[in-house]
Amino acid sequence: GIQVEQSPPDLILQEGANSTLRCNFSDSVNNLQWFHQNPWGQLINLFYIPSGTKQNGRLSATTVATERYSLLYISSSQTTDSGVYFCAVERYIAAGNKLTFGGGTRVLVKP
Amino acid sequence: DTGVSQDPRHKITKRGQNVTFRCDPISEHNRLYWYRQTLGQGPEFLTYFQNEAQLEKSRLLSDRFSAERPKGSFSTLEIQRTEQGDSAMYLCASSLTTSGSRYEQFFGPGTRLTVL
Repeated sequence: GIQVEQSPPDLILQEGANSTLRCNFSDSVNNLQWFHQNPWGQLINLFYIPSGTKQNGRLSATTVATERYSLLYISSSQTTDSGVYFCAVERYIAAGNKLTFGGGTRVLVKP
Repeated sequence: DTGVSQDPRHKITKRGQNVTFRCDPISEHNRLYWYRQTLGQGPEFLTYFQNEAQLEKSRLLSDRFSAERPKGSFSTLEIQRTEQGDSAMYLCASSLTTSGSRYEQFFGPGTRLTVL
């Protein structure tokens, strides 16, 4: 099956700093989503971005499908940005339809 | 629209007992998915439904696991004869899929299962 690798695995930031999270995947995909998992376990949708660039407030994401990677940018980080960020990809095979998740990047933003 | 809901949020059970979880998807979403997440890992796919039909099951879904979506709305996931290795967060997601188009998945808050 498709492999998804996220880097770095852990990230400690000072409040106000910028950062870039990376997601590499091993095969072509039809869908890519970025999530933020809060301390209570809820997965919050950040971006649905199979290709191109999107921005939402202090967050933006870019997916280069032909090179099989996606980047999530966090600017002017805040303590509320702490948590685990997951990249997940979907590859349509016949009727198959599932998200394959990376291992996540654990982000801690210090005040 | 209140999003995907799951019940219960937490379940503690003894080894060997049966447990059942419920998921209510976003209304009008025709696809419903179950995932399992263990500590420190990303979620892993278990199974999914399109309307009431169960279309794919992961090899992670042993014979002790069964999922249903009887009327194409809510779904239940039952684990029989629970084992300590079943302790995990069970996540439900839903999406809308139309002919030729598939859309993003939205997740519920999860049910955290602890098997003693």
